[in-house]
Amino acid sequence: AQSVTQLDSQVPVFEEAPVELRCNYSSSVSVYLFWYVQYPNQGLQLLLKYLSGSTLVKGINGFEAEFNKSQTSFHLRKPSVHISDTAEYFCAVGWMDSSYKLIFGSGTRLLVRP
Amino acid sequence: NAGVTQTPKFRVLKTGQSMTLLCAQDMNHEYMYWYRQDPGMGLRLIHYSVGEGTTAKGEVPDGYNVSRLKKQNFLLGLESAAPSQTSVYFCASRRIPDQAPNSYEQYFGPGTRLTVT
Repeated sequence: AQSVTQLDSQVPVFEEAPVELRCNYSSSVSVYLFWYVQYPNQGLQLLLKYLSGSTLVKGINGFEAEFNKSQTSFHLRKPSVHISDTAEYFCAVGWMDSSYKLIFGSGTRLLVRP
Repeated sequence: NAGVTQTPKFRVLKTGQSMTLLCAQDMNHEYMYWYRQDPGMGLRLIHYSVGEGTTAKGEVPDGYNVSRLKKQNFLLGLESAAPSQTSVYFCASRRIPDQAPNSYEQYFGPGTRLTVT
């Protein structure tokens, strides 16, 4: 069975500092991976995705993630965060069967302080 | 193009009452999904549909029923609401996978906040 683990429930960081949000997954088959962002009282917005090819994926708002198959990780990074990046971030793994459903991690709340 | 819309945005129910949440998409997507979001648990799949007239159970289906009579609509029903169903409900849709770079993405609605007292 596939699962996703986001070990950090909350990550506080100062503005303009770098940040890494961790995501590990378990799967016995090939996967595709996503990071979604949720701003307060809003729906989910896609940040970036990995389907195949280059393991370094760039997304919107200056975020990037690196797919590491040997460590089964897909960590999200940003070199310099802004106050506006304060939000909840969800990692998700996609099933490669007829359902194409997503399995989500529990989320990491990024809190950017001035 | 409205994308994925959900009706209503907010609702308060009393225990035992019933209601239906409506999800509509105008992107001609085959696949549609209902999730619930609870603090510290991420999003969990309730039911999904791989096409008009078809539905299947997800991770947490108990207490919910769904119908997909039209391709663009996916209804989530609560026959007898319980306080444990207090949550934020999200609907999502996606297209059939093909060579297009966005074909694996799920597009989410804005959510419905349901409180059961």
